[in-house]
Amino acid sequence: NAGVTQTPKFQVLKTGQSMTLQCAQDMNHNSMYWYRQDPGMGLRLIYYSASEGTTDKGEVPNGYNVSRLNKREFSLRLESAAPSQTSVYFCASSANRVRDTQYFGPGTRLTVL
Amino acid sequence: QKEVEQDPGPLSVPEGAIVSLNCTYSNSAFQYFMWYRQYSRKGPELLMYTYSSGNKEDGRFTAQVDKSSKYISLFIRDSQPSDSATYLCAMRPSNTGKLIFGQGTTLQVKP
Repeated sequence: NAGVTQTPKFQVLKTGQSMTLQCAQDMNHNSMYWYRQDPGMGLRLIYYSASEGTTDKGEVPNGYNVSRLNKREFSLRLESAAPSQTSVYFCASSANRVRDTQYFGPGTRLTVL
Repeated sequence: QKEVEQDPGPLSVPEGAIVSLNCTYSNSAFQYFMWYRQYSRKGPELLMYTYSSGNKEDGRFTAQVDKSSKYISLFIRDSQPSDSATYLCAMRPSNTGKLIFGQGTTLQVKP
C-alpha cells in the first residue's frame, strides 16, 4: 500500500516549457487535490477533484490545468512555465471531500529558470 | 490579512521541554481543525484532528481549540529530537473540504 505517489520528484524547466506532474493514490479515495508550497506562504490549493469526472479551481489556479484521468490518477499540467511557478507541489487525496482528512504525497520540487 | 496566522519560528527547545505551537484565525465558519507535521523534504502527515472547541489528547500531543478567541494550540510534552519538523495548522468550514493552512512553525528539539 503506497498511499499517494508523485512523479517526478525533481524537475528543472526553462521559462515557456511545459510539463505534467503525475499523482496516483491506491486508497480508493474519491477526492484528490493539488497544492503548492512556497516559503512563508504555507500550502495553497491549486485545483481539486471532488470525485472522478469533476475538477474545480482552488485558491491559485492561474497557469495550471488538471485532468482527473480515473479514480486513481490526477495530473497537473503547466502549459508555459514561469519562474513564479518555482515551488514544491503536493498532491493529496481524501476518501470524501467534505468529511475526511487529506493524505499527502512526497512532493515534486520544480524549478523554472 | 491572512485567514490563518502562524508564527513561522524557528522555535528551538531542549529535549524534554513542553512545546506550545499556536495559530489564530479570522473566519468564524471554521469548524474542523488539524495539525500536520512535515519533516524536511517530505509531505505533510496528519497529526491531530479536532472538531469545534475543546481538547484532544493523543500520547504526548494535545490539541486545543478555543473558538471564542479564534485560537488553536498544539502542545507536545516530553519533546524528542524526532519531533524536529515543521508543524502546520489547517482548518476548514463544515460544508467544504477546502483546507486553509497556516504557514507552518519550524521546531528544533536539541538533544
